[in-house]
Amino acid sequence: DAGVIQSPRHEVTEMGQEVTLRCKPISGHDYLFWYRQTMMRGLELLIYFNNNVPIDDSGMPEDRFSAKMPNASFSTLKIQPSEPRDSAVYFCASSLRTGVPYEQYFGPGTRLTVT
Amino acid sequence: AQSVTQLGSHVSVSEGALVLLRCNYSSSVPPYLFWYVQYPNQGLQLLLKYTSAATLVKGINGFEAEFKKSETSFHLTKPSAHMSDAAEYFCAVSDSENAGGTSYGKLTFGQGTILTVHP
Repeated sequence: DAGVIQSPRHEVTEMGQEVTLRCKPISGHDYLFWYRQTMMRGLELLIYFNNNVPIDDSGMPEDRFSAKMPNASFSTLKIQPSEPRDSAVYFCASSLRTGVPYEQYFGPGTRLTVT
Repeated sequence: AQSVTQLGSHVSVSEGALVLLRCNYSSSVPPYLFWYVQYPNQGLQLLLKYTSAATLVKGINGFEAEFKKSETSFHLTKPSAHMSDAAEYFCAVSDSENAGGTSYGKLTFGQGTILTVHP
C-alpha cells in the first residue's frame, strides 16, 4: 500500500487566498484525522471522520476552516481566507477500527506558509 | 478529559548511552498509550503501544516502554542510543474501547521531546 497520501507537500500563499489541502487515506481505513503542527502549539487534532462522517470538529480553530470527506478515499481541508497565523504543517492520518486499536498512519504532511 | 505530559522538551545523550523519555498521563478510564516518532520533514510513525496486555511493551528499533498504573507513567527507554534515533518523540493517550464513549480512535498527544544523540 502507498500509505496516506497528501498533496501538495508545500504550499506558499498570500494572506486572504483560499487554500485547499488534500488527503487520500489508506484503502479500507474507516477513520480519517486532520492535525496541525506548530512550534508554539504542538500537534493539534482539528477534525476527524468515521465512514466519511465528521465525528468531532471541536479542534477546528474558526469558521475559516472547513473539512469534507465526499468518499472513503478522499478528504479536503480548506482555509478561506488564509492568514499568516495559519502557517503550519498539516497532517492527515487514517486508521482502521477492526485493526490494531488506535494505530493511526500519518501522511508526510503539507507545509503551509501564508505570507 | 485525557492529557499527556512529556517531561523535558529536549533530551541529549551520547551515542551508546541509555535513552529515557518521560511521559505521564491522565485518564479517567483505562487508557491505551502510544509512542510515536517523527523524523525531520516526515509524518509520525508508531513506535509501540500499550493496550492492556503486557505492561512492558517492546517496539521497533530497540525501544520499549513500561506502563505503571500507580505512577500514571509510560516512559520510553532504549539501552543504547544510536545516531539514527535523533528525532522528535510523542507520547499519546486514548480511551480504551470498553470505556463506552464515542471518542474511539481519538488520540491526545503530548508536546513532544526532541532527542539529540551526540557522537
